[in-house]
Amino acid sequence: GENVEQHPSTLSVQEGDSAVIKCTYSDSASNYFPWYKQELGKRPQLIIDIRSNVGEKKDQRIAVTLNKTAKHFSLHITETQPEDSAVYFCAASRGSGTYKYIFGTGTRLKVLA
Amino acid sequence: GAVVSQHPSRVICKSGTSVKIECRSLDFQATTMFWYRQFPKQSLMLMATSNEGSKATYEQGVEKDKFLINHASLTLSTLTVTSAHPEDSSFYICSAADGGGQPQHFGDGTRLSIL
Repeated sequence: GENVEQHPSTLSVQEGDSAVIKCTYSDSASNYFPWYKQELGKRPQLIIDIRSNVGEKKDQRIAVTLNKTAKHFSLHITETQPEDSAVYFCAASRGSGTYKYIFGTGTRLKVLA
Repeated sequence: GAVVSQHPSRVICKSGTSVKIECRSLDFQATTMFWYRQFPKQSLMLMATSNEGSKATYEQGVEKDKFLINHASLTLSTLTVTSAHPEDSSFYICSAADGGGQPQHFGDGTRLSIL
């Protein structure tokens, strides 16, 4: 069935360092890949997304790369700050919005001051 | 823009009670809403997809008679947990999408505790 694997499950970095979270999806029909940040007890918030017709997208300190052939996509956070500490979820979908998302298992990122 | 409101934020009730959770899109029309369940330190598990005016599509293993979903308008979907038991205690989150290619936006979630 449809599955998204996410690694690592926990990640600790020093403030200012970079963090990379990787996901692999199984459904070859997936063409939309959002990333959500969730702080404890709060709603997931979209931080960046990418569609299958591009290989990379960047928004300030955050970037996402996509390798469709390998069915891999990754989140890159540069110059990490303590407020980046949260749980990050990747997801894969056959379309944005009205299509269901298959979420990864989450990565707990801790940025050490 | 793209605000999704979920109510209530917290419910504590006795076993056997039915609990209704509302999910509203405040500034857009949501053709599709989704209901998720999230256990502590775990991922979001999709329970069902709700389309306005039609029956919800439930994921495998989710009891439709236990978790009643009604998407009566383009701005409101409700999830009713019927005859709730302690094992139904969880964090329930809804999301909504406008059908125009925009991503899903999530509500604040409802923490349900069944005593």
